[in-house]
Amino acid sequence: GAVVSQHPSWVICKSGTSVKIECRSLDFQATTMFWYRQFPKQSLMLMATSNEGSKATYEQGVEKDKFLINHASLTLSTLTVTSAHPEDSSFYICSAPAGGMHEQYFGPGTRLTVT
Amino acid sequence: KQEVTQIPAALSVPEGENLVLNCSFTDSAIYNLQWFRQDPGKGLTSLLLIQSSQREQTSGRLNASLDKSSGRSTLYIAASQPGDSATYLCAVTDDKIIFGKGTRLHILP
Repeated sequence: GAVVSQHPSWVICKSGTSVKIECRSLDFQATTMFWYRQFPKQSLMLMATSNEGSKATYEQGVEKDKFLINHASLTLSTLTVTSAHPEDSSFYICSAPAGGMHEQYFGPGTRLTVT
Repeated sequence: KQEVTQIPAALSVPEGENLVLNCSFTDSAIYNLQWFRQDPGKGLTSLLLIQSSQREQTSGRLNASLDKSSGRSTLYIAASQPGDSATYLCAVTDDKIIFGKGTRLHILP
């Protein structure tokens, strides 16, 4: 099956710094990737849709200037959390659809802790 | 606006019992419905994918059904085991993927 990887798997950063999270499709190309955030004991919430070669589409309430998304190639999307604050601490997961049936493949997630 | 609801929010059952998890969605115009498993602090594992034209899918002890007209899906787990303890999420895909809040399942040894 299709494989999606994320890097890093966990990161601790200081408040005010920026953190970049990578999402890669390892054995397929993805013109679209999705970024989610999950707070403890809550469901996944879609943050944005990453589109290869064009601007990302952000969900309502998600600050595009704070969560920068770049989808520069068919196998890589990056999410940069800028000027991170403790309330940005969360589990960030990406996914990509593979094949023609819209099945989603998920990365293992990145746990971000902002101190 | 698509909304996905999962009932119950939490469930504890003795090992060996069969159980059913429920998922409902408000807009039947979907491409598919997926059931996922999530262990604490981990990413998602896809369990079953049901296309909009299908009514059910089976994998081992798992069986998922889909009734698109009524906006419902069930995940049936047979002969539950302690290793089945996890959070189970259902998600529907239309233009994007929308998740339910999940059912936290605890299988009692």
